[in-house]
Amino acid sequence: QKEVEQDPGPLSVPEGAIVSLNCTYSNSAFQYFMWYRQYSRKGPELLMYTYSSGNKEDGRFTAQVDKSSKYISLFIRDSQPSDSATYLCAMSGETSGSRLTFGEGTQLTVNP
Amino acid sequence: EAGVVQSPRYKIIEKKQPVAFWCNPISGHNTLYWYLQNLGQGPELLIRYENEEAVDDSQLPKDRFSAERLKGVDSTLKIQPAELGDSAVYLCASSLDSSGSGQETQYFGPGTRLLVL
Repeated sequence: QKEVEQDPGPLSVPEGAIVSLNCTYSNSAFQYFMWYRQYSRKGPELLMYTYSSGNKEDGRFTAQVDKSSKYISLFIRDSQPSDSATYLCAMSGETSGSRLTFGEGTQLTVNP
Repeated sequence: EAGVVQSPRYKIIEKKQPVAFWCNPISGHNTLYWYLQNLGQGPELLIRYENEEAVDDSQLPKDRFSAERLKGVDSTLKIQPAELGDSAVYLCASSLDSSGSGQETQYFGPGTRLLVL
């Protein structure tokens, strides 16, 4: 069983839709939770970063972490065609230099 | 500010041939990472450097893969000999310093796309 599970999609939505992306994990030592966005033929870029449980909002993006359920989410409001990309969840433990463990990514297409 | 630079961007080689990838991290970043990303998968760490020291290379297949980071700046990842299963994207990332508490943001380069025939 993988430590981090993510539905690979693909997910296709109309412009303006609310998008929900999710990951589950099994390692209770994970404390740092991140969402990366990866455009085609590019490297991943950090989108959201959350420590422990709770919500974090940045513009149209909201990240949620529920450690009791080992479940994290990324919501995109008013989705735009420019949001079309692969979204990767990633997480790591508390120990300094802990390795990032990535999900396999969800491919999102926002149709104009 | 320049991002992480990688070269070449694409490489096609025949199996059993050697290949090398180069990475120049963001200026001032002490920590450098090499990741492997297979198609439809998330990146997997191969090796992490703190300055010139490899502090996490447990996932590096040492029979054919090697890496170096001379002078604690640029880094080279080598495969010799390459196998068909090595076809993937090799990503380099850097961060300020991973030796303290917390999780430093990692900045990724565009990757080198390797195809082994």
